[in-house]
Amino acid sequence: GDSVTQMEGPVTLSEEAFLTINCTYTATGYPSLFWYVQYPGEGLQLLLKATKADDKGSNKGFEATYRKETTSFHLEKGSVQVSDSAVYFCALSNPLYGNNRLAFGKGNQVVVIP
Amino acid sequence: DSGVTQTPKHLITATGQRVTLRCSPRSGDLSVYWYQQSLDQGLQFLIQYYNGEERAKGNILERFSAQQFPDLHSELNLSSLELGDSALYFCASSPGQGRAYGYTFGSGTRLTVV
Repeated sequence: GDSVTQMEGPVTLSEEAFLTINCTYTATGYPSLFWYVQYPGEGLQLLLKATKADDKGSNKGFEATYRKETTSFHLEKGSVQVSDSAVYFCALSNPLYGNNRLAFGKGNQVVVIP
Repeated sequence: DSGVTQTPKHLITATGQRVTLRCSPRSGDLSVYWYQQSLDQGLQFLIQYYNGEERAKGNILERFSAQQFPDLHSELNLSSLELGDSALYFCASSPGQGRAYGYTFGSGTRLTVV
């Protein structure tokens, strides 16, 4: 079945550093790809999405490009702030199944130190 | 406020008991999804309803059931509870079922089984 893999472990970095979180997927056909963010005590919020190959999703300084050749959707931000500390989830949905269910990666805790 | 309302926010109950979690989707959204979030399993899709009908089933135990009512709110019923059912239960909604729809998540119900 479809699956999403995120790099292991939390990510700790200093304010204004460059952030990359790797995400790769396994799916049949042409899934849509998403990044969600979860702040402490809250539900998940959609951060950005891409629905076809080579699409770039962007929001709040975050970017991710849908790379079909490498089955990847890595999240990047050029200069992180303390307020970006949260858990980030990569996810996909596959139109082959006729619904919009999402398969999520395990998530990455990001901690930004002042 | 995301527009998706989940009640209660916290629930503590004993093993063997039955509980009902409630979700009101964002206004105008027809699809409701239930997810379970636990430390070891991550985010697991449980079930989806669209306009009152069940549309997709994921890793939902037989002890669990759900329904969506004519006013589009949904309830997740968990019975014969076990310690391992302790988790965060999220409801999400979307306008339809197309691939481009992202979800809007509620803030979750934290279930603790003692």
